[in-house]
Amino acid sequence: EVQVVASGGGLVQPGESLRLSCAAFGFSVGSHYMSWVRQAPGKGLEWLSVISTLGRTYYEDSVRGRFTISRDNSKNTLYLQMDSLRADDTAVYYCSAYIMGTPYWGQGTLVTVSP
Amino acid sequence: NVLTQSPGTLSLSPGERATLSCRASQSVSNNFLAWYQQKLGQAPRLLIYTASSRATGIPDRFSGSGSGTDFTLTISRLEPEDFAVYYCQQYGSSPWTFGQGTKVEIK
Repeated sequence: EVQVVASGGGLVQPGESLRLSCAAFGFSVGSHYMSWVRQAPGKGLEWLSVISTLGRTYYEDSVRGRFTISRDNSKNTLYLQMDSLRADDTAVYYCSAYIMGTPYWGQGTLVTVSP
Repeated sequence: NVLTQSPGTLSLSPGERATLSCRASQSVSNNFLAWYQQKLGQAPRLLIYTASSRATGIPDRFSGSGSGTDFTLTISRLEPEDFAVYYCQQYGSSPWTFGQGTKVEIK
């Protein structure tokens, strides 16, 4: 069964860094597109980043240069390194896999950026 | 590729038909257009992918249609559990994007 499980969220101060992880089950992260999405409190869904099967990465403008998507095929895990965090990065972060055109989402992990 | 959903809010009664629209500013590659349902405090639930394929376990009252730039999610007869927020997403070309959402509320 295909499953993705995000973890690593927590409370951090503005300017700090945090790395989110997304463990994959039932498929290989290196064989499919993988993406991160977030949702700020009371707001809609915001796409952040995607990594292709060839390792090409793409970012939404507001996080380019601060966030880095990567994967470790040996651990079958996707990551999102978040640097220079700001209060408006506070959100639930979701990882998702796209397998033969079908999206698979996990439950999300909460990141709170506050002094 | 900007996705514009309409209407912003849809006020209907149980048993009625709901028609939600998602319009893209550019053609969606490979018809990689998905619809999600989200209830308060829950993760988005996939309903439809590749514009018209129903996800596993989704009741057949949910259907998706469209291609190119115009897409529609139809709920044939609203059940009480269908009142929620619905989002469309295109994943055909980067940057991937979401619509702003349509809230389906009880009239």
